[in-house]
Amino acid sequence: DVKVTQSSRYLVKRTGEKVFLECVQDMDHENMFWYRQDPGLGLRLIYFSYDVKMKEKGDIPEGYSVSREKKERFSLILESASTNQTSMYLCASSPRGSEAFFGQGTRLTVV
Amino acid sequence: DAKTTQPPSMDCAEGRAANLPCNHSTISGNEYVYWYRQIHSQGPQYIIHGLKNNETNEMASLIITEDRKSSTLILPHATLRDTAVYYCIVRRNFQGAQKLVFGQGTRLTINP
Repeated sequence: DVKVTQSSRYLVKRTGEKVFLECVQDMDHENMFWYRQDPGLGLRLIYFSYDVKMKEKGDIPEGYSVSREKKERFSLILESASTNQTSMYLCASSPRGSEAFFGQGTRLTVV
Repeated sequence: DAKTTQPPSMDCAEGRAANLPCNHSTISGNEYVYWYRQIHSQGPQYIIHGLKNNETNEMASLIITEDRKSSTLILPHATLRDTAVYYCIVRRNFQGAQKLVFGQGTRLTINP
């Protein structure tokens, strides 16, 4: 079974903190994605990566950066967390030309 | 990637077939139609995908019109556990950047 693991289910951080959300997949997938999900706004793509060290902006990259130093790990970084980044964050991975598999999500609260 | 249009919500009686429509009138020849669903508090789950032929698996059937401008996901015998938000996505399958963008989806409620 494909496994996409997000490091935390729940996280509480203070405004201005640097926050790292980690995602690891165990199936050698080329593509990895970070989304945020907010009520009424659906799933919005923040960043994605199609290979090690390669990244592309999604629809809402502002305030975020990403890192993919190894194929299995894709990190989402909030350089200076703000309250409007309180959200559910979902990571996904997929091989080329095939379906994506999602992690269980990280519910981040910035206070 | 082509944009999709889905009804915001639908209801279906338990045990009946649930037919979820999706319009993708700007789909191009190398774009596939994918369906996912998201049950409350979980990550989305892949259901099925297709290019131009109809497809069936253990979860659902996918019917794509001949002009490929619309499709229908069919859950043949809906159960209460099928209550979820269903997303229709079109996506190119080629090497390199493969964006995966979700729309608002259809909230399907299965009623007892």
